[in-house]
Amino acid sequence: NAGVMQNPRHLVRRRGQEARLRCSPMKGHSHVYWYRQLPEEGLKFMVYLQKENIIDESGMPKERFSAEFPKEGPSILRIQQVVRGDSAAYFCASSPPWQGANTEAFFGQGTRLTVV
Amino acid sequence: GQQLNQSPQSMFIQEGEDVSMNCTSSSIFNTWLWYKQEPGEGPVLLIALYKAGELTSNGRLTAQFGITRKDSFLNISASIPSDVGIYFCAGQVGGNNRKLIWGLGTSLAVNP
Repeated sequence: NAGVMQNPRHLVRRRGQEARLRCSPMKGHSHVYWYRQLPEEGLKFMVYLQKENIIDESGMPKERFSAEFPKEGPSILRIQQVVRGDSAAYFCASSPPWQGANTEAFFGQGTRLTVV
Repeated sequence: GQQLNQSPQSMFIQEGEDVSMNCTSSSIFNTWLWYKQEPGEGPVLLIALYKAGELTSNGRLTAQFGITRKDSFLNISASIPSDVGIYFCAGQVGGNNRKLIWGLGTSLAVNP
């Protein structure tokens, strides 16, 4: 059973370009969470999605950032017109549907975005 | 944004020593989690705590969920070189939304 798969592992973009980060959740998991981690810091919640629905986007910047989790295929975090401050590690986590307590999310290995 | 207060920020210890780190919050959480992150990797769950006052062990790791639900500690006994990494606490309000609020991490270095 493969874990949470993120790709690419490393992504370099010039200022003004678009970055697309992909996350394939674990088999049977229909909930996806995206987090951003700046150097020397903890993770910051960005967005929580279920299939075809955004449930909580309270951590998403209002501009340039968007996320989707289509019925088929991976979840995509899209950053338009990237700036140097977007350089960070972006982590995806997935979890199964809520079944009561004790069902935690599992994390992928992250995508390291560098904007030059 | 909301963040947990985690201390200490870093620790340098000798192999075989015990380690203790803690997290506090101004908000109540229904679940506290402790993760370990190694360079270039994602966080890996070590211990999950679900009840106030709960004390849970995982091998050499022991964690407790504070009675007020606003704090937690993690102890590592008899440290070994592979314990090196960054340890994060995370709080979860609970229910269907498993969004996590994170501490800034405790960086652990173990001298063999």
